[in-house]
Amino acid sequence: GAGVSQTPSNKVTEKGKYVELRCDPISGHTALYWYRQSLGQGPEFLIYFQGTGAADDSGLPNDRFFAVRPEGSVSTLKIQRTERGDSAVYLCASSAGLEQFFGPGTRLTVL
Amino acid sequence: GQSLEQPSEVTAVEGAIVQINCTYQTSGFYGLSWYQQHDGGAPTFLSYNALDGLEETGRFSSFLSRSDSYGYLLLQELQMKDSASYFCAVTFGNEKLTFGTGTRLTIIP
Repeated sequence: GAGVSQTPSNKVTEKGKYVELRCDPISGHTALYWYRQSLGQGPEFLIYFQGTGAADDSGLPNDRFFAVRPEGSVSTLKIQRTERGDSAVYLCASSAGLEQFFGPGTRLTVL
Repeated sequence: GQSLEQPSEVTAVEGAIVQINCTYQTSGFYGLSWYQQHDGGAPTFLSYNALDGLEETGRFSSFLSRSDSYGYLLLQELQMKDSASYFCAVTFGNEKLTFGTGTRLTIIP
């Protein structure tokens, strides 16, 4: 595909469960970002990958959140022991320069 | 920390011009970007200012004044499809974006 894709588009889970959110960046983009967006607010930075390594994970709220990008392409955001406060839209973006290209997001609802 | 403030809502008439302001309390950033987001959609890049002054891209222009800690997005010849949320964002060395509070723009006929 031409753009950034994210799966699933929607995820409903129960408090305490583990979830994985997937991001397929634009082919050839070495930079990949995860953001979280709550209703009525701007996206909030979580983590940034340059290639396979996490160059900046300062936005991860706590150690329940973890992300990987083992082959420098697809990335997975992992959330352990989900809490109701984790409910949000999780956005992935990739870039080859200045402009970041965002995916449609995964809407996570924790009941 | 960094904070970028925007008006929460703006309403404008189709065919007119509207300015969306962004004031910030941060320093050392590389540039100021603007993104558009329709309801339920992904943010899409509109414009970027690395230097002070005006950048023009079609109907959209963006302005930055570092000395005034201020920027704005100017939309001309407004169309109904311009109804969306608009975010300013600063970029630091590692290119991560720190977004503003967002402005919901409503275009009326």
